[in-house]
This record gives sequence, structure tokens and C-alpha cells, in this order.
Amino acid sequence: AQKITQTQPGMFVQEKEAVTLDCTYDTSDPSYGLFWYKQPSSGEMIFLIYQGSYDQQNATEGRYSLNFQKARKSANLVISASQLGDSAMYFCAMREGGEDSSYKLIFGSGTRLLVRP
Amino acid sequence: DADVTQTPRNRITKTGKRIMLECSQTKGHDRMYWYRQDPGLGLRLIYYSFDVKDINKGEISDGYSVSRQAQAKFSLSLESAIPNQTALYFCATSDQKGRRSTDTQYFGPGTRLTVL
Repeated sequence: AQKITQTQPGMFVQEKEAVTLDCTYDTSDPSYGLFWYKQPSSGEMIFLIYQGSYDQQNATEGRYSLNFQKARKSANLVISASQLGDSAMYFCAMREGGEDSSYKLIFGSGTRLLVRP
Repeated sequence: DADVTQTPRNRITKTGKRIMLECSQTKGHDRMYWYRQDPGLGLRLIYYSFDVKDINKGEISDGYSVSRQAQAKFSLSLESAIPNQTALYFCATSDQKGRRSTDTQYFGPGTRLTVL
């Protein structure tokens, strides 16, 4: 079974609007971490935001926020006020296990976002 | 200067050749990783190292070997390259120090390898 599912292969958004990229995950481990990375056309992987399974509040980093719904096992990325530079591939990833022992990131297949001017 | 650097950035080689990809970091992190990315897919872990004396296989280690020469350096070797090893290769580092560490992995710029 897939551990990380990103159901949107591609999305469009108008510049200055908000967009939500979906991510669902599957784990039986009570302790895990969820990450979002951005991969622009140049290829590098850029860390955006982190959410721990025990965090009480949704993570926010500037224009990025993570809509964490633990019971639904979803960790959607919300980008507010989209900019042309946000056009990229976005990957959701999960790290299972406690922070003392975990090591492996499991990646989803990604969502390609295109911001229209 | 970039915190995580990879050399070379692009490489074209022939089947059967031995190739080494190098990774250096100035972040002071103990943990280092090698991933590969195939077109249209996420990343898959090849090897990881928690310190200089610790090397572990990831999910797709066959055909690869690694060397952790120092805390800051982690190299990946393809002993005898084959065409299905054509991919984008990433090095990453993370820091587990501290109770509140999230162990976030930070990636290098990637090496695009083509095996003909």
C-alpha cells in the first residue's frame, strides 16, 4: 500500500490566489513527521514546511501553511497569494518513527503546480 | 555558498564504467543520505549514514556503494554503471541534535547522471 498519496498530478492557479495541494498518508506509527518540498524546473529540492504528529497547531512558514487533519491522515499544503515563482513540482514526504530513531523519508509522486499570470 | 554541494552536476558515461558522485556539506550535520529520482517520481533512498562509522543500505542499494570519508563528505559509487541507473541523484543531510530537532533533510542541488 502506498504510504504517501498525492492525487493531483497537475494543478493550475491564478496568480495571487490561494491553492491547496493534497497529501494523504498511511502509517500505524503514533510518532511521525510530515514534510513538503518544492522542486522547481532547475531540479533542486527545497524544504518548505514540517509538521510533527504531536504538534497541536498547524505549521506555518510565510505563505505556506499545512492543513493537518490527523484523523483523516491528511497533510495538505496551502500556498497563499500565489506567485509565478511558485510554479514547480511539490512533494509530500513522511518520516515514520520517533525523532530519536527515524531516518527515511517516504515521498509521494508529486503535484506539478502552474501559476498563471 | 551552498550548504550542501554535489559534484559533478551533470555526467554522461558509458555502460560498465565506474562512476563516483561526491557530496560535501558545511551544515555540521551528522546524518547524510543518497537518493535517486526517476522521471515523474519521488525520491528513493539508496544509502544513509548517521556518522563516519555508520553506513546503512536504503531501499535500492543494489549496484551502488558509498564511502563516508569525513563528517562533511559522503560519496556514492556506481561500480559498473548500467542504463537503468540514469537518474537525478540527490545528497541530503540532517541534524538529530537536540530534543526539539525535527531531523529535517536538506538537499544538495542534484547530479544528473546519464548512462549510455
